[in-house]
Amino acid sequence: KAGVTQTPRYLIKTRGQQVTLSCSPISGHRSVSWYQQTPGQGLQFLFEYFSETQRNKGNFPGRFSGRQFSNSRSEMNVSTLELGDSALYLCASSLVGDGETQYFGPGTRLLVL
Amino acid sequence: SQQGEEDPQALSIQEGENATMNCSYKTSINNLQWYRQNSGRGLVHLILIRSNEREKHSGRLRVTLDTSKKSSSLLITASRAADTASYFCATDDLIAGNTPLVFGKGTRLSVIA
Repeated sequence: KAGVTQTPRYLIKTRGQQVTLSCSPISGHRSVSWYQQTPGQGLQFLFEYFSETQRNKGNFPGRFSGRQFSNSRSEMNVSTLELGDSALYLCASSLVGDGETQYFGPGTRLLVL
Repeated sequence: SQQGEEDPQALSIQEGENATMNCSYKTSINNLQWYRQNSGRGLVHLILIRSNEREKHSGRLRVTLDTSKKSSSLLITASRAADTASYFCATDDLIAGNTPLVFGKGTRLSVIA
């Protein structure tokens, strides 16, 4: 089976812009989670989607949003980018979530200037 | 927060030596997982240990779990330069149920050839 894929791999944006990141989970996996990783804060959970519904949400402002499509592919959007949004954004998939092993994509590295 | 805490934050050893990393967590769990991350890439699942298990082996990896102390350790035996990476523990939440995995801040392991 193909692994989790994320596009794009690298992105440079300026403050105030918005960005959309995409994640394709492993075939058959219905749970997709998103994480933000920065040197200072470590891995922070953004949200989890299961069967097109947001099931869990981390402590991030409303500028961060996401969705999941019927084929389980997921997108996350960050509006009005701030310098502090520069980070590695990781997507992970699992069969049904709920504490299972997660399979991570390579990440999208976002730089906000 | 139930975030796990790894200890030490960084570890530097010679090739062939053993590396031990520790993880402490705060709540009751179903299972605890260890992941590895090579620089700037996605996380790779290493091993999962359930709350009713005390020790588990996988190749050169040995994981122990002490639920009374809410702690786990990861031992890598006969380390290689390729083991250089960050290692994270992740826990679920037995009481809260269907919640996302919570990751610690990781231990950076450097194996010197």
